[in-house]
Amino acid sequence: NAGVMQNPRHLVRRRGQEARLRCSPMKGHSHVYWYRQLPEEGLKFMVYLQKENIIDESGMPKERFSAEFPKEGPSILRIQQVVRGDSAAYFCASSPQGARTGELFFGEGSRLTVL
Amino acid sequence: GNSVTQMEGPVTLSEEAFLTINCTYTATGYPSLFWYVQYPGEGLQLLLKATKADDKGSNKGFEATYRKETTSFHLEKGSVQVSDSAVYFCALSDNTGNQFYFGTGTSLTVIP
Repeated sequence: NAGVMQNPRHLVRRRGQEARLRCSPMKGHSHVYWYRQLPEEGLKFMVYLQKENIIDESGMPKERFSAEFPKEGPSILRIQQVVRGDSAAYFCASSPQGARTGELFFGEGSRLTVL
Repeated sequence: GNSVTQMEGPVTLSEEAFLTINCTYTATGYPSLFWYVQYPGEGLQLLLKATKADDKGSNKGFEATYRKETTSFHLEKGSVQVSDSAVYFCALSDNTGNQFYFGTGTSLTVIP
């Protein structure tokens, strides 16, 4: 059973470009979480999705950021018109049952650098 | 609301020293508690967990006991190794909500 797969592992963008990060959860997992980790800081919750639905996006900036988890295919975190402050590691985690009973299984992260 | 507060680092220990990383929490309902570990350049991995009061989670020589009376879940290891050098995150999941709440992480460096 493959783990949580994130790609790309490293992404470099210039200011104003778009960044698209992908996350394939573990097989059988329908709950996906996205976190951002800035250098020397902890994990900041961004968004929680279940298949085709956004459950909680309270941690995601209202502008430029969006997330989806379609019925088929990976979850996508999209950042439009990137700025230098978006440089961070973005981690995806999946869970079979969400927060109620389960633990999170993390991917290895996508490291975004904005020039 | 729910939150996790953990001991600030960085922590530097000599090999075979005793380790304690403090973690306290605030939660509504009956949370589950976790310690995750992040090795350099990698994602987080679950280290241990406890789902109810007085449970003890243990793995790879690490232990933590779910103390409801003190709202704590301190991580301990009797004899650390160089390979334990990593960042450790305390976390909780509230069984009435949608989120996992993470502490800010404690960096541990073990020197030979």
